[in-house]
Amino acid sequence: NAGVTQTPKFRILKIGQSMTLQCTQDMNHNYMYWYRQDPGMGLKLIYYSVGAGITDKGEVPNGYNVSRSTTEDFPLRLELAAPSQTSVYFCASIHPRGLTQYFGPGTRLTVL
Amino acid sequence: AQSVAQPEDQVNVAEGNPLTVKCTYSVSGNPYLFWYVQYPNRGLQFLLKYITGDNLVKGSYGFEAEFNKSQTSFHLKKPSALVSDSALYFCAVRDSRRDDKIIFGKGTRLHILP
Repeated sequence: NAGVTQTPKFRILKIGQSMTLQCTQDMNHNYMYWYRQDPGMGLKLIYYSVGAGITDKGEVPNGYNVSRSTTEDFPLRLELAAPSQTSVYFCASIHPRGLTQYFGPGTRLTVL
Repeated sequence: AQSVAQPEDQVNVAEGNPLTVKCTYSVSGNPYLFWYVQYPNRGLQFLLKYITGDNLVKGSYGFEAEFNKSQTSFHLKKPSALVSDSALYFCAVRDSRRDDKIIFGKGTRLHILP
């Protein structure tokens, strides 16, 4: 198993551009999560999903959108990038009967 | 709403000494509690969890944590620190009544001094 994979690893965007951060897991986990990590702020939950077709807002959803059309994929969309979205983004997954999150390696995004 | 607090931004400990990293939480139901570690430029790795049962839980790399319901705390401990323990540590909580949302604290940077 590859676990949780994220692409790209790094990206620089200009203000107003859009992009999609990809997250895929091959563990057949129902639950998936997106977090952003800012220095001194810890991890903030952006969106999460408990299964295909079901998504819910986390602590900081503004400026982001998600979709969950398959169990494996949980892409995060930035429509109009802003400097405040400069961060490291982590995707995680969990089996509903398990309780441990498995994290991807992260995507470092810079918005200039 | 559930929340997690890690009151220390940084903890410095001499190698060989015991270490404690503090965490307090707030949930409406019973808590599921977790500790994760992050090494530089890496994702988060699971250390240990408390779900139910014994208040002292043991995890990876010799770490343990003590659940204290009356103080709503879940402090991470290790009897003898190693330089290789230096990293960023996160506490997380999941509310048993609403078991899909997992919230993290802001993290505590642990420096083990040789």
